[in-house]
Amino acid sequence: TQLLEQSPQFLSIQEGENLTVYCNSSSVFSSLQWYRQEPGEGPVLLVTVVTGGEVKKLKRLTFQFGDARKDSSLHITAAQPGDTGLYLCAGTYSGAGSYQLTFGKGTKLSVIP
Amino acid sequence: NAGVTQTPKFQVLKTGQSMTLQCAQDMNHNSMYWYRQDPGMGLRLIYYSASEGTTDKGEVPNGYNVSRLNKREFSLRLESAAPSQTSVYFCASGYRAPGGTEAFFGQGTRLTVV
Repeated sequence: TQLLEQSPQFLSIQEGENLTVYCNSSSVFSSLQWYRQEPGEGPVLLVTVVTGGEVKKLKRLTFQFGDARKDSSLHITAAQPGDTGLYLCAGTYSGAGSYQLTFGKGTKLSVIP
Repeated sequence: NAGVTQTPKFQVLKTGQSMTLQCAQDMNHNSMYWYRQDPGMGLRLIYYSASEGTTDKGEVPNGYNVSRLNKREFSLRLESAAPSQTSVYFCASGYRAPGGTEAFFGQGTRLTVV
């Protein structure tokens, strides 16, 4: 079983602060995605990264894919209460069937007003 | 836009009872998935279907069966429910993007087995 490690598991910050969460694996991804899940809802796709070293921005969220395609980070600038939720990374591993999508355990973010 | 629809949204079963969770998507995606989500465990893949007519086991298939009825529908069956199957179940459909699959999720079925 391939493992995706996310850190930290929990994060509580004040509104306006910056934060970074991480997703790591010992295996190479062919692609990696970030999802956000709010209570009582299913995960919603935020972004997909495919190329090593790739950086994508979505408003105040910046996603980076490691050069070796084994890790990724999500940076949020000036966090707002609306950013509160569970952030999940998910990967499709090189060599595995490209239909298999493996999830990490997530980072639970709370942004306090 | 309906996207991925799961029924029921909530269910309580007694140990040993059986039930089928229904899932339908209207996005014309080829692949579909069933995950379970437990506190501290993230999303774990139960079964998936890469295309109509095919199904494959995921990480935690024991105690479950699936049927890909057609391109739109993918059902999950619990033949004899156990308390360990208390969980939130998510169905997803998948779009084949460069490098892998992007998933779109339903709102989940909250199942309690007593």
